[in-house]
Amino acid sequence: EVQLVESGGAVVQPGGSLRLSCGVSGFTFDDYTMHWVRQIPGKGLEWVSEISWNGGTRYYAESVKGRFTISRDNSRNVLYLQMNSLTIEDTALYYCTRRDYWGQGTRVTVSS
Amino acid sequence: DIQMTQSPSSLSASVGDRVTITCQASQDIGNYLNWYQQRPGKAPKLLIYDASNLETGVPLRFSGSGSGTHFSFTISRLQPEDIATYYCLHFDHLPPAFGGGTKVEI
Repeated sequence: EVQLVESGGAVVQPGGSLRLSCGVSGFTFDDYTMHWVRQIPGKGLEWVSEISWNGGTRYYAESVKGRFTISRDNSRNVLYLQMNSLTIEDTALYYCTRRDYWGQGTRVTVSS
Repeated sequence: DIQMTQSPSSLSASVGDRVTITCQASQDIGNYLNWYQQRPGKAPKLLIYDASNLETGVPLRFSGSGSGTHFSFTISRLQPEDIATYYCLHFDHLPPAFGGGTKVEI
């Protein structure tokens, strides 16, 4: 059974940093490009970032470019999202996804 | 960047009704489009991939069609458990983009 489990969400002050993790199981992790997608409470879905199977190519939404870094550890089956210089606008539920399978999300709240 | 215009933003229908949602891409995306269902408080669930292919285990009342710039998603006979918000997603070019969502109510 394919499973994706996000963790690391928290309440953080503006300007702070946070690292999200997504542990996966049930499939060959390094066969897949992986993504982070976020959802502001009560709003729609926003693609944030993607990373190729070997980490060789990474792409970011303009809204997070230069502040967020996506990475992966294929030996541990974990996807990461390092988030720096957080702003109130980054408050959202962050999903890890393979595009067909999704985790349940981890909540990030940026507030003073 | 490619923009996805989804309509309507919300709709109300009766059980058994046929419901259709559309997504229009700002440029040709071939068939690189998925449809997702998001029930309240839940993660999105893939229903249709590559514009018209039904994901395994998804009821046959769901269907998708279209290519290029115009796409449709249909629920042939609305059921109470179909109450959700539905999103299209293009993945032809980077960045991928979601439509704004359609909230379906009964």
